[in-house]
Amino acid sequence: EVQLVESGGGLVQPGESLRLSCVASGSTLDNYYMSWVRQTPGKGLEWVAKITHDGSEEVYMDSAKGRFTISRDNAKNSVYLQINGLRVEDTAMYYCARDWLVDGAGRALDVWGQGTLVTVSS
Amino acid sequence: DIQMAQSPSTLSASVGDRVTITCRASQTVFNWLAWYQQKAGEAPRLLIYKVSTLETGVPSRFSGSGSGTEFTLTISSLQPDDFATYYCQHYYGAPRAFGQGTKVELK
Repeated sequence: EVQLVESGGGLVQPGESLRLSCVASGSTLDNYYMSWVRQTPGKGLEWVAKITHDGSEEVYMDSAKGRFTISRDNAKNSVYLQINGLRVEDTAMYYCARDWLVDGAGRALDVWGQGTLVTVSS
Repeated sequence: DIQMAQSPSTLSASVGDRVTITCRASQTVFNWLAWYQQKAGEAPRLLIYKVSTLETGVPSRFSGSGSGTEFTLTISSLQPDDFATYYCQHYYGAPRAFGQGTKVELK
């Protein structure tokens, strides 16, 4: 059974940077797109970014463009989210999720990690 | 970008009730529509993908329907384990937007 485990969250000050990591166990990710999704405390889900299976394309939500960078290392079965210039409004639980399977059945975000909490406060 | 709108935002129901949640897309997403269930303190769980295909292990009381821009999630007979928040999401390209969520609570 595949599991995703996020890490790298924490308490940071506005303007600082963080690199979130997501590592998979139980299965390889190299045929899957991967997404990051965040959730502000008590609020709904917000899709942040996705990366294709081979890292050739990245897509971001509008408010993430320019500050967020998604990347992956298939050799390490890992996906990353670099966030620069953190803002108070970036405070959220950040989830990684397994996305589209290349040549697959067209499923959506079928496996999720437990999340890593990012708190931005002075 | 495609926006998703869910209704209602909160739904009060009793065990055994038939429950329907609606999701509308600002433009067609064809059949690339998924539903998720999230309980407090947990990560979301995929329930349905491609409008109506149940994820493995999801009880058959859950069903999805619709096409293009209007979709519904139906729980045929609400069970105690079903009180949670439900989200729709399109995955027709990116950005992949979620609806704002529907909290199903005990009446």
